[in-house]
Amino acid sequence: AQRVTQPEKLLSVFKGAPVELKCNYSYSGSPELFWYVQYSRQRLQLLLRHISRESIKGFTADLNKGETSFHLKKPFAQEEDSAMYYCALHSGGYQKVTFGTGTKLQVIP
Amino acid sequence: NAGVTQTPKFRILKIGQSMTLQCTQDMNHNYMYWYRQDPGMGLKLIYYSVGAGITDKGEVPNGYNVSRSTTEDFPLRLELAAPSQTSVYFCATQGPGNTIYFGEGSWLTVV
Repeated sequence: AQRVTQPEKLLSVFKGAPVELKCNYSYSGSPELFWYVQYSRQRLQLLLRHISRESIKGFTADLNKGETSFHLKKPFAQEEDSAMYYCALHSGGYQKVTFGTGTKLQVIP
Repeated sequence: NAGVTQTPKFRILKIGQSMTLQCTQDMNHNYMYWYRQDPGMGLKLIYYSVGAGITDKGEVPNGYNVSRSTTEDFPLRLELAAPSQTSVYFCATQGPGNTIYFGEGSWLTVV
């Protein structure tokens, strides 16, 4: 069965410090990985997906199949990055998407 | 194009009452989901549907029921509300590229 693990419920960093939100997955095939973000009083929305290999709002994420990880990184945290972040996996075909339990990022001014 | 629309946005229920959370989408997506998000916690899947007429249980289905008579609508029914069902409920669809589109959420309090 596919599983997504986000080991940190809360991550606090100072403004300007680097950020790394961890995501590990268990799936033997070639998954699609996503990061979703939920800002205060807003709906959950897609932040980025690994197949796009893009940087959104300064965030990047690299799929490491050897370590089965898809960590979200940003070199310099901003206060507006404070939000709830969810990692998600899709295993292909007619499968549903599986979400991790989420990590709350708190950027301290 | 409204996307995913949930109603009501806020509701207070008494223990033992029943209610239906409505969800409708105008994107013609086959997959639809209901999640709950307890305070300070992550998303938990309640029910999902892969198309009209087909539904299946998620992680936490007890106390809930769903139906999917059309592609557009996926209502969530709470029977005999309990305080443990106090939560924020999100309806979502799965679109092209397996991107998930969420509704704005429904805040439910059971007292």
